Amino acid sequence: QSALTQPASVSGSPGQSITISCTGTSSDVGNYNFVSWYQQHPGKAPKLMIYEGSERPSGVSNRFSGSKSGNTASLTISGLQAEDEADYYCCSYAGSFTFVFGGGTKLTVL
Amino acid sequence: QVHLVQSGAEVKKPGASVKVSCKASGYTFTDYYIHWVRQAPGQGLEWMGWINPNSGGTNSAQRFQGRVTMTRDRSISTAYLELSSLRSDDTAVYFCARVVTRGTHFDYWGQGTLVSVSS
Repeated sequence: QSALTQPASVSGSPGQSITISCTGTSSDVGNYNFVSWYQQHPGKAPKLMIYEGSERPSGVSNRFSGSKSGNTASLTISGLQAEDEADYYCCSYAGSFTFVFGGGTKLTVL
Repeated sequence: QVHLVQSGAEVKKPGASVKVSCKASGYTFTDYYIHWVRQAPGQGLEWMGWINPNSGGTNSAQRFQGRVTMTRDRSISTAYLELSSLRSDDTAVYFCARVVTRGTHFDYWGQGTLVSVSS
């Protein structure tokens, strides 16, 4: 299993929108609607932000949304806020009861 | 509320084994699989495997097979990860996280356990 591909970094100004991509293969992202996204602040445990591609857990701001096209999933954050600055990871079910994470994307709020 | 509380930091020598625990509370232990995910310093998340606390069944990423053992003690709602033949590149924070049975996302995470491997 190879890690899913994410951009190393993205940035945006407060109030803007950004999108983080997560590219896999037809064996993982492209074959299942089971991509989840996690936010991780330094020294903290990851936090679930999106599951099953586009579902938001209770308590997560509706500024966070997810989508998928083919082998690429995307996380969009609208109305950027300072507290959104963190690392973001995608994760996909990869069949045979296994999972694979993306390499992570560092979001900087300018 | 749901809590996953992990054991404390460990320092090990190369070739040794380490056992990390993850104590669950606030939910029915056997309704959720426990997964293990690690993060090397400055690196990304890496999925290691899972245990079904109900049956004890496990599955792990191919690269860890033969070196990882996952167990559980239902009487104290605790899952364990044991990693053997430690190498310096096993230095990482090890997280446990729960996934509902037949689910595909990690909704609650432990605080992480730092395992340092050094001679």
